[in-house]
Amino acid sequence: DAGVIQSPRHEVTEMGQEVTLRCKPISGHNSLFWYRQTMMRGLELLIYFNNNVPIDDSGMPEDRFSAKMPNASFSTLKIQPSEPRDSAVYFCASTLVAGELFFGEGSRLTVL
Amino acid sequence: GNSVTQMEGPVTLSEEAFLTINCTYTATGYPSLFWYVQYPGEGLQLLLKATKADDKGSNKGFEATYRKETTSFHLEKGSVQVSDSAVYFCALSDRPGANNLFFGTGTRLTVIP
Repeated sequence: DAGVIQSPRHEVTEMGQEVTLRCKPISGHNSLFWYRQTMMRGLELLIYFNNNVPIDDSGMPEDRFSAKMPNASFSTLKIQPSEPRDSAVYFCASTLVAGELFFGEGSRLTVL
Repeated sequence: GNSVTQMEGPVTLSEEAFLTINCTYTATGYPSLFWYVQYPGEGLQLLLKATKADDKGSNKGFEATYRKETTSFHLEKGSVQVSDSAVYFCALSDRPGANNLFFGTGTRLTVIP
């Protein structure tokens, strides 16, 4: 079975540009999570969805960040405009069983 | 509130040494506890879990016992291998059936031949 698929794996962009990260969860999973990982702050939960509905977005840093899940097989995390402090690895994860998350390989974002 | 505290890293061990990575937690409810592992360049993977007091989770030679009296879930392995080099994260979900996890800061383990 395919795991969680994220794209792009790497993105380098300039400050002020829009960034869109994509995630395809494992088929049949009903919850999807977006995490951000940095050396300074470790792993932070940004937002999670149950059955395509956002449940908790309290971790979204500010209005520049937005996430959508239009259907059960696709989610996006958008940053507009991007800033250098957004540089991080962004992980998507999905699950069907409580607590047993399956992570993608991450999208490494560098904002210059 | 809910939180997880892990021992500071990094940890460097020789092959076949005994490993302990400490994890303590604070939870308002009756949590489930997890250990996740992140190998270089990859996402996190579930290593083991325990859902109630005195449960022992085990996988790939790793073990952890849910100790309610000491609010701990320490990770142990009797003989580490170079391939165990990774970052290990302790995590909790604050109630049965909860999907979101609270992660610790991670402990980097390096095993040298």
